[in-house]
Amino acid sequence: NAGVTQTPKFQVLKTGQSMTLQCAQDMNHEYMSWYRQDPGMGLRLIHYSVGAGITDQGEVPNGYNVSRSTTEDFPLRLLSAAPSQTSVYFCASSYGQSIGYTFGSGTRLTVV
Amino acid sequence: AQSVTQLDSQVPVFEEAPVELRCNYSSSVSVYLFWYVQYPNQGLQLLLKYLSGSTLVKGINGFEAEFNKSQTSFHLRKPSVHISDTAEYFCAVSAGYSTLTFGKGTMLLVSP
Repeated sequence: NAGVTQTPKFQVLKTGQSMTLQCAQDMNHEYMSWYRQDPGMGLRLIHYSVGAGITDQGEVPNGYNVSRSTTEDFPLRLLSAAPSQTSVYFCASSYGQSIGYTFGSGTRLTVV
Repeated sequence: AQSVTQLDSQVPVFEEAPVELRCNYSSSVSVYLFWYVQYPNQGLQLLLKYLSGSTLVKGINGFEAEFNKSQTSFHLRKPSVHISDTAEYFCAVSAGYSTLTFGKGTMLLVSP
């Protein structure tokens, strides 16, 4: 049981490049979310999904998009990377609202 | 919409002393409340959660929290901390949605 797996763990991008952060879970969780963590800001919600084919925006969605074609996978796409997107990104999944989310180990992204 | 305020960004404490990390929330509906811990360079781990019922909730690693509806608080406590408790602690709320809203975090610094 791997839980929530995020790849890559580290990434350096140049401004304007695009990339996809991968997230996969093997717990058959319906709910999945992407957060970014910045110093002194806590975790802020980027996008979330309540099931395959259903996604919605969170607090800070600009510059990112997502899709959920399967229950297991929830990739986050950076369309045109900007230095302001330098952050640590966490993917999380949950069986239900009251259960609490299981977090991946994060992707540390630097945009230069 | 809901919000979470963690009143202290940093709490220094000596080993074996008691500690309280404060959390206040705002919501117009009933909430679920969570505390997560993040050790350096790791993801978030669920410490404990309040769903309903008894207002005193016990979690892992000897932590407990008390839900106070009238004061809209959910403070985290431990009677005797250890060096290994040094980490960042996040309070989070889920209020009728499938996602979590986090506070900005409190860094617990335990020294010998």
